[in-house]
Amino acid sequence: QSVLTQPPSVSAAPGQKVTISCSGSISNIGNNYVSWYQQLPGTAPKLLIYENNKRPSGISDRFSGSKSGTSATLGITGLQTGDEADYYCGAWDSSLSAYVFGTGTKVPVL
Amino acid sequence: QVQLVQSGAEVKKPGSSVKVSCKASGPTFSSYAISWVRQAPGQGLEWMGGIIPIFGRRNFAEKFQGRVTITADESTSTAYMELSSLTSEDTATYFCAREHPPYKWNDIRWFDPWGQGTLVTVSS
Repeated sequence: QSVLTQPPSVSAAPGQKVTISCSGSISNIGNNYVSWYQQLPGTAPKLLIYENNKRPSGISDRFSGSKSGTSATLGITGLQTGDEADYYCGAWDSSLSAYVFGTGTKVPVL
Repeated sequence: QVQLVQSGAEVKKPGSSVKVSCKASGPTFSSYAISWVRQAPGQGLEWMGGIIPIFGRRNFAEKFQGRVTITADESTSTAYMELSSLTSEDTATYFCAREHPPYKWNDIRWFDPWGQGTLVTVSS
């Protein structure tokens, strides 16, 4: 079972903004970097954010990441129909010596 | 641009084993660890374990210790994941992914890129 908790679903209309939370503990988010992944239907996950708030080359600046304490947040502005996907957070867990993913959040664009 | 290409779908009987391959393009295969992540139908992502070829070191999620074997062939830039004693609960898509940063073991910061996934179906 996932160690990091995300809301099952967040929705918004095209053009609006959504935020996805990721809640963990001191052993994972609190002391390690958070990354975020987008998984479009039927495809492999794709890196969106690494080291809490950095975007890889080619990722739109509509995506942003932040971290505070034992929680992290992914923000998506100017929502587009192409953003309909599942989003996962992840972090190394120093107590488990394992990488842990969030429960995943589905983002339907209304 | 590094790409990871995985082997094709498999159908296995309960109690058997499956071996999935992940071939990397580009010259930096050995210096980056490769992880294996699985996703059961309609479920989330689950990290299984990984290997860093240059050091030959591996780490595994406790859940899979003793049942998963992860190897790497530096001559062909290919990583392998073998899962034994399969049950229906192992039916899932298995992904390989390159860990970052390089030359690190037991300290994964992010995964990029990912392989396309390999569907393993366990059915009698």
